Amino acid sequence: QVQLVQSGAEVKKPGSSVKVSCKASGGTVNNYVFTWVRLAPGLGLEWMGKITPTLGETHYAQKFQGRLTISADRATSTAYMELRNLRSEDTAVYYCAGAGMDVWGEGTTVTVSS
Amino acid sequence: DIQMTQSPSAMSASVGDRVTITCRASQGISNYLAWFQQKPGKVPKRLIYAASSLQSGVPSRFSGSGSGTEFTLTISSLQPEDFATYFCLQYYTYPYTFGQGTKLDIK
Repeated sequence: QVQLVQSGAEVKKPGSSVKVSCKASGGTVNNYVFTWVRLAPGLGLEWMGKITPTLGETHYAQKFQGRLTISADRATSTAYMELRNLRSEDTAVYYCAGAGMDVWGEGTTVTVSS
Repeated sequence: DIQMTQSPSAMSASVGDRVTITCRASQGISNYLAWFQQKPGKVPKRLIYAASSLQSGVPSRFSGSGSGTEFTLTISSLQPEDFATYFCLQYYTYPYTFGQGTKLDIK
């Protein structure tokens, strides 16, 4: 069974960037596909994007185009989510998940505050 | 983008009640729909995929139906642990999109 382990909580200033990692382990992770979802306070789940490392293919929600980069290191089965030009509205818990979203990381809290 | 509209946005029910939540897609998505349960401070949990397939380990009181643009999640007999927020997700085309959620609380 694949497990996803995310990096720790972050506190950032408006206008800065954050990079969250998600490492897959256990099971078959060589061809793992990663999805990123966030949950902001008082709001619902928001699909951010997805990466298929074996194809070098990424897809993003239009809302984040230009600010979001999802990348992956196949050698370590780790995915990264980098969000730039942070705003207070980006304060949320950021989750990585597998392709089918049946496996989830524990979430990373990102707080954007001056 | 495909818009997913859930109804109701919130509801109250009692233990033992039968509950139905609806999700409507702005265009046809075949059966590329999943349902998730989210509890405060917890990781989202997939309940249903492919509109009607029950995730392994999920109680059989949960069921999903629908195809095209109309989908439902039914809980046949509410249990205390089912009070949570439920989301649908279309994965027919990119970008994937969630419904806005249905908060289910105790009457």
